[in-house]
Amino acid sequence: NAGVMQNPRHLVRRRGQEARLRCSPMKGHSHVYWYRQLPEEGLKFMVYLQKENIIDESGMPKERFSAEFPKEGPSILRIQQVVRGDSAAYFCASSPVPEPLSEQYFGPGTRLTVT
Amino acid sequence: AQTVTQSQPEMSVQEAETVTLSCTYDTSESDYYLFWYKQPPSRQMILVIRQEAYKQQNATENRFSVNFQKAAKSFSLKISDSQLGDAAMYFCAYRSLLIQGAQKLVFGQGTRLTINP
Repeated sequence: NAGVMQNPRHLVRRRGQEARLRCSPMKGHSHVYWYRQLPEEGLKFMVYLQKENIIDESGMPKERFSAEFPKEGPSILRIQQVVRGDSAAYFCASSPVPEPLSEQYFGPGTRLTVT
Repeated sequence: AQTVTQSQPEMSVQEAETVTLSCTYDTSESDYYLFWYKQPPSRQMILVIRQEAYKQQNATENRFSVNFQKAAKSFSLKISDSQLGDAAMYFCAYRSLLIQGAQKLVFGQGTRLTINP
C-alpha cells in the first residue's frame, strides 16, 4: 500500500506566478489535511477536506489560497500570485476516517521556493 | 485556542544515553490526544508515540516513553538508549476531541535533537 504521495517535491516559482501542489492520499483514505511549515517552525494547519467538501479551512489565508479534493484525482492546494512569504514546505496528510485516534499519515512534503 | 510550547529549540545527547524533550500545552478541554512526531532530514513526518488524555498510564513504544502530567499540562518525551538514527526534529502535537476541531493537529515549534557518537 503506497503511502501519501505529493508532487512535485520541489517547486520554484517567480513572484506573481501560480503554484499548484498535489496530494494523493493513501488508498482507501477519504480525508485530507494540508499543513504549512515555515523555516525553523512547526507545522501549521491550513485546511481539512473530504471528497468534494471543505470541512475546515480555518487555517487558510483569506486570499490567494484555495484547496480542493475532487471525487476523482488528487487533492490540490493552489496558491495564486505567489509572494516570497509563501516559501515554505507544504505537507499533506490523510486518514481513513475522522475518528479521534485515526492516525494522520503524512506525505514527504512539497518545498515551495518563491524567487 | 489551543497552543503547544516546546521550550528547548535544541538538545544533544551522547549515544546510548537518555534524553528528555519537554512539551507544555494550553487547553480548556478535558479530553484530547497528544502526539510526538519525528522529522528526520528527509522531512518525512513520522509518528513516534501518542497519548489519550483520559488514560493515566503513560504511553510507551520500545525506547520511547512519555511523562504525561495532565494537571500541569505537560507531555515530555523520553528517549532511552539514544541511537544515531534518533537525530531529528521532534514535534509535540495536540488534537482536540471537539467535533469542530477534532481533525487538525496543533504543533509546537520543535526541538532539534543531536546524537553525539
